[in-house]
Amino acid sequence: ETGVTQSPTHLIKTRGQQVTLRCSSQSGHNTVSWYQQALGQGPQFIFQYYREEENGRGNFPPRFSGLQFPNYSSELNVNALELDDSALYLCASSRGLETYEQYFGPGTRLTVT
Amino acid sequence: AQTVTQSQPEMSVQEAETVTLSCTYDTSESDYYLFWYKQPPSRQMILVIRQEAYKQQNATENRFSVNFQKAAKSFSLKISDSQLGDAAMYFCAYRSGTSGTYKYIFGTGTRLKVLA
Repeated sequence: ETGVTQSPTHLIKTRGQQVTLRCSSQSGHNTVSWYQQALGQGPQFIFQYYREEENGRGNFPPRFSGLQFPNYSSELNVNALELDDSALYLCASSRGLETYEQYFGPGTRLTVT
Repeated sequence: AQTVTQSQPEMSVQEAETVTLSCTYDTSESDYYLFWYKQPPSRQMILVIRQEAYKQQNATENRFSVNFQKAAKSFSLKISDSQLGDAAMYFCAYRSGTSGTYKYIFGTGTRLKVLA
């Protein structure tokens, strides 16, 4: 059983640009959640996808958007990047909405200059 | 809204000794789950232990155990026989058990240093 993978590992972007981060869920998992972890902080919930539909969103602006594909892999897109978007972005997959255990990927470190 | 508070930014423990990390939370729900996650320098969150709120018995996983005080809304993690590999950031997390978005709410973390 393969674990959750994320790409790229690191990314440097300029303010105002757009970025796409990718997540491959663990085999058999149909639910994915995305989190933003600023330096020295705990992860903050961005949104969750279940069977290709958004199933809830945290306190993040609309320029943060996502997709989940039929194979349950997922993308996080951020438009009009701001300096405060610099963070570690984590995705976590689970076997279903009511399965309480989430498995995290290693994250993508995004730096906005 | 639910909140999770970790009041110890950093803790140190001597190898082979025992350390307790504190976590308090606030919720009006009766059905929820609590977790402790470990995040080493490799960044990948690793589940250490979980506790279902409806279970009175404290969870135990090898050297890791929790002290779950539901009325006090406290959920501390005890690490026995600390090892160098236990050094990491530890996050306490809450997840609602009711229907809706099953997001995790994390605390700000405690950095654990293990001294040889």
